[in-house]
Amino acid sequence: GAVVSQHPSRVICKSGTSVKIECRSLDFQATTMFWYRQFPKQSLMLMATSNEGSKATYEQGVEKDKFLINHASLTLSTLTVTSAHPEDSSFYICSASTSGGAETQYFGPGTRLLVL
Amino acid sequence: AQRVTQPEKLLSVFKGAPVELKCNYSYSGSPELFWYVQYSRQRLQLLLRHISRESIKGFTADLNKGETSFHLKKPFAQEEDSAMYYCALFAGGTSYGKLTFGQGTILTVHP
Repeated sequence: GAVVSQHPSRVICKSGTSVKIECRSLDFQATTMFWYRQFPKQSLMLMATSNEGSKATYEQGVEKDKFLINHASLTLSTLTVTSAHPEDSSFYICSASTSGGAETQYFGPGTRLLVL
Repeated sequence: AQRVTQPEKLLSVFKGAPVELKCNYSYSGSPELFWYVQYSRQRLQLLLRHISRESIKGFTADLNKGETSFHLKKPFAQEEDSAMYYCALFAGGTSYGKLTFGQGTILTVHP
C-alpha cells in the first residue's frame, strides 16, 4: 500500500513553454502533498506544501507564479512550471501524506525535467 | 531555521566492515530525526526514525541531543546496502510539518 505515482517520469520541453507534472496517491487519500526539487547528487529542497482544497504554502525563494501548484482532490496534486527556462531543469519529486507527519509521507518516483 | 548536515558525500567500505554515516542537525525545537534511503533507480523510502528506536536491515541510529547528531550505523555492511542515504529533520508542531534533508551520502559497499 501507500503508493505515489508521478507523471510524466521525464519530459523535455522548449524554453518558454509550460509543463505540468502530476502526483497521485494511488491507494490512499493524501490530505497533504509536498513538492521537492533535487539537483544532481544534491539534497531534496522543499518547494511547497499543499493541502487539498487550499492554496499551497511556498518556501522562501520559490516563485509561486512560476511554480503553480493545484491540489484539487485528495489523490491528485499538480505542479505546473510556467514559462520554463533551462535553469528550471531538475528532478522534481512529490510526496503525499495522510496526516502531514513525516512517518506518513510517501514519495513518488520523481520527474526529470529538461528545458532546452 | 533548521539545518541538517551530512559531512560525507561519498563513503566506501568493504563487505562485512562496520559503517557509520554521519548526520548533524541544528534546530531550536525538539527534533524528530529520520533516515531515508534511495536505492539505485528507486524512490526515496523511510529507513528508520529516532522515535521508534528500531533496527531496520541491521541499521540503527541514536539521537544525541548533546552533540546534535543522529549517526546511522551498521556493524557489518552488505553489498545490498549500497545506496544514497539522507538524514532528515521533521519540524512539526503545526497542522503539517516539513522535512529538511541533508545533502545525502552515497554509500558503496565493495565485495
